[in-house]
Amino acid sequence: SQKIEQNSEALNIQEGKTATLTCNYTNYSPAYLQWYRQDPGRGPVFLLLIRENEKEKRKERLKVTFDTTLKQSLFHITASQPADSATYLCALGYSNSGYALNFGKGTSLLVTP
Amino acid sequence: NAGVTQTPKFQVLKTGQSMTLQCAQDMNHEYMSWYRQDPGMGLRLIHYSVGAGITDQGEVPNGYNVSRSTTEDFPLRLLSAAPSQTSVYFCASSASGRGPPYEQYFGPGTRLTVT
Repeated sequence: SQKIEQNSEALNIQEGKTATLTCNYTNYSPAYLQWYRQDPGRGPVFLLLIRENEKEKRKERLKVTFDTTLKQSLFHITASQPADSATYLCALGYSNSGYALNFGKGTSLLVTP
Repeated sequence: NAGVTQTPKFQVLKTGQSMTLQCAQDMNHEYMSWYRQDPGMGLRLIHYSVGAGITDQGEVPNGYNVSRSTTEDFPLRLLSAAPSQTSVYFCASSASGRGPPYEQYFGPGTRLTVT
């Protein structure tokens, strides 16, 4: 069956370090992958989108990679700050249409000063 | 722009009651969807719509109805509430349900408890 796996354990890192979050998937052939941030009691907020033919995308302190051979995406936050503490969700899209996203369960990130 | 709005923020229902969760967006987005989020389960797609008059089922549609009479509104109806429908419900929209993928904009959520 199709499965999306994100680090189930919370990730605790020190301010200034790079946080790396993992999204692995099985039995999917996604056309693209998106990363969202979710704060407690709020809806997810879009961060980055990467397509299957792209290896890497960057936006400010964020970087996402997409390896369709390994069936894995890595999400990096460089120079992390306490304000980056949140839950991060990866979502896979099947085709080049915007709907029918399948979400992972998310990874909780805590950045301590 | 208000973005995606949802009402109510909180709701408690008794088993068997019906209600409608409201969702509206002011971005002229074609695509709208409803998700539910349960602890340890992640977001699961209930229903979606690629435009006014067009709706389709997602992963977990049972017990829910939708309609899309306007571009702006996409209400979710619970026909006969069950405790298994206790969850946080999110409405989302994006510029298009066809063509290149677009990011989805989420509402603030409705926390529903069924007793």
